[in-house]
Amino acid sequence: EVQLVESGGGLVQPGGSLRLSCAASGFTFSSYEMNWVRQAPGKGLEWVSYISSSGSTIYYADSVKGRFTISRDNAKNSLYLQMNSLRAEDTAVYYCARAPVDTAYPGAGAFDIWGQGTMVTVSS
Amino acid sequence: SYVLTQPPSVSVAPGKTARITCGGNNIGSKSVHWYQQKPGQAPVLVIYYDSDRPSGIPERFSGSNSGNTATLTISRVEAGDEADYYCQVWDSSSETRVFGGGTKLTVL
Repeated sequence: EVQLVESGGGLVQPGGSLRLSCAASGFTFSSYEMNWVRQAPGKGLEWVSYISSSGSTIYYADSVKGRFTISRDNAKNSLYLQMNSLRAEDTAVYYCARAPVDTAYPGAGAFDIWGQGTMVTVSS
Repeated sequence: SYVLTQPPSVSVAPGKTARITCGGNNIGSKSVHWYQQKPGQAPVLVIYYDSDRPSGIPERFSGSNSGNTATLTISRVEAGDEADYYCQVWDSSSETRVFGGGTKLTVL
């Protein structure tokens, strides 16, 4: 079964750090681009970060640039999001999402598989 | 940055057709993807590359994209279609993925 399972969420104080993980199974992880998407309570979806299948290309939303770091370990079928200098507005459910490689337009692929999400709460 | 505009809500009676729009500057030149999200659940891809349907998604779901508007059409709406729907594109100029604000579909 194709599956993504996030972990690592929790309660953290403003200014603190947290590392999210996403374990992939049921497919060839190294062949897919990966993304993090978040959803604040009662709000819409917000794209956070993208990493290419090899890990060589990375992009971030302006709202997290300089504070968050995306990475992947294809040998471990895992995706990560290191979150530093956390703010109250980072409070959200964080989803990892898979995207097939679009050879014509890298990064344009749809998010075809999503994890169940992990909740991050930033509060004192 | 690129902005996608969706109506906050759309209401439709069972058996009728629902149309959810997604507006953006020259969106017809981009590939649009659509997601369905039910309360407490992760989003599910329902339309990709404007009009393709993933396996397992009913033929009642279709999409189109032209000019400044992309549209998700749901025919013969059922109670189980009640959900939030989001459009999404890749903005090549900023290398970012953009979501619309979402539309809550209510089945009357």
